[in-house]
Amino acid sequence: DAGITQSPRHKVTETGTPVTLRCHQTENHRYMYWYRQDPGHGLRLIHYSYGVKDTDKGEVSDGYSVSRSKTEDFLLTLESATSSQTSVYFCAISGERSGNTIYFGEGSWLTVV
Amino acid sequence: AQSVSQHNHHVILSEAASLELGCNYSYGGTVNLFWYVQYPGQHLQLLLKYFSGDPLVKGIKGFEAEFIKSKFSFNLRKPSVQWSDTAEYFCAVRASGNTGKLIFGQGTTLQVKP
Repeated sequence: DAGITQSPRHKVTETGTPVTLRCHQTENHRYMYWYRQDPGHGLRLIHYSYGVKDTDKGEVSDGYSVSRSKTEDFLLTLESATSSQTSVYFCAISGERSGNTIYFGEGSWLTVV
Repeated sequence: AQSVSQHNHHVILSEAASLELGCNYSYGGTVNLFWYVQYPGQHLQLLLKYFSGDPLVKGIKGFEAEFIKSKFSFNLRKPSVQWSDTAEYFCAVRASGNTGKLIFGQGTTLQVKP
């Protein structure tokens, strides 16, 4: 597929604990994104990155932080997980080599109890 | 700010019926337009995209979409659906030339009855 690996794929965690989701790409694309998918809301952009150490907020960034220290990795951190952050999280990538089309990873299912 | 609206939230069709899913966006400038499909339990896959040129674009699996600039629309069509088309469909818009943020509609669930 698009050379995107998300980990973990499934996680159950308790309210108040920190959680980090990892997105790893093998395509050397410039742009990386984190979306969350919830019923009735489609996909909403949390944060995105346009280069190493260059990140910006999306539509629903509250409660989330990101880091990109290497081109291939984009980390999403929930500093203190809440039940409202139970969701499916998708990483996506794009760049000139993909014709600027955005391709998605397989998703990470997070449940906060 | 960009926004995307998909009019149909849940569509039920019989096999061989024709499909049209509506998508309208709001943005005053040049846009790139996409349709993605998500089969149950899977990730999003690109069906088709429009960047420029012929406003009628053809995608995979017999799908096509028409960009009508005056109506800010990018409707998805398929002449004859199959049971295997049962999935959720998302329209998405990106302002051309920006950092690449893709904004999605709420999605349309398509159920095709055999």
